[in-house]
Amino acid sequence: NAGVTQTPKFQVLKTGQSMTLQCAQDMNHEYMSWYRQDPGMGLRLIHYSVGAGITDQGEVPNGYNVSRSTTEDFPLRLLSAAPSQTSVYFCASSRRRLKTSGREQETQYFGPGTRLLVL
Amino acid sequence: AQSVSQHNHHVILSEAASLELGCNYSYGGTVNLFWYVQYPGQHLQLLLKYFSGDPLVKGIKGFEAEFIKSKFSFNLRKPSVQWSDTAEYFCAVYRNYGGSQGNLIFGKGTKLSVKP
Repeated sequence: NAGVTQTPKFQVLKTGQSMTLQCAQDMNHEYMSWYRQDPGMGLRLIHYSVGAGITDQGEVPNGYNVSRSTTEDFPLRLLSAAPSQTSVYFCASSRRRLKTSGREQETQYFGPGTRLLVL
Repeated sequence: AQSVSQHNHHVILSEAASLELGCNYSYGGTVNLFWYVQYPGQHLQLLLKYFSGDPLVKGIKGFEAEFIKSKFSFNLRKPSVQWSDTAEYFCAVYRNYGGSQGNLIFGKGTKLSVKP
């Protein structure tokens, strides 16, 4: 298994440009999420998805769109990049929680990250 | 507000010193607890996790953490650190909202620098 993969590794954008950060996982995980990591802020959840066709907002969703047409892919779109979106972006995936009792393996597996610089 | 607090932003230790990084969370009810590590230039890796059972959890590379429910804490410890432990450490709490999908909430991280 390749695990969680992200492309590109590094990107420079000008203010107002658009781009899509790609994320894919080959573990058949239903839950996928996007975080941004900023110095002193930890990781903050942008958007997440509990399965194909289902997405929801996290803590900092403004300026980002997502879609989930397949289980494997969860792209993050910046429609009009702003310098405040300069950050490192991590995609993560995990098994969806089952509605049964007992232990749940909610470990999230992270991708290698995309470093984005918006000028 | 729901939060995860890590007490120290930056910890500097000499090799062989003991380590304890604090983590407190503000949720009631059932939580799953994690510590992730991020080595310089790398992505997050799971260090250890707690779901239920023995509150003393052992992870990789000699790390352990103790869940103290009454204190809402999940502190990370290592008896003797090595230079290779230099990294940033993140505490995270997964909260399940009564059967629906919850989310992982991260603390702001603690940078550990180990001097050789």
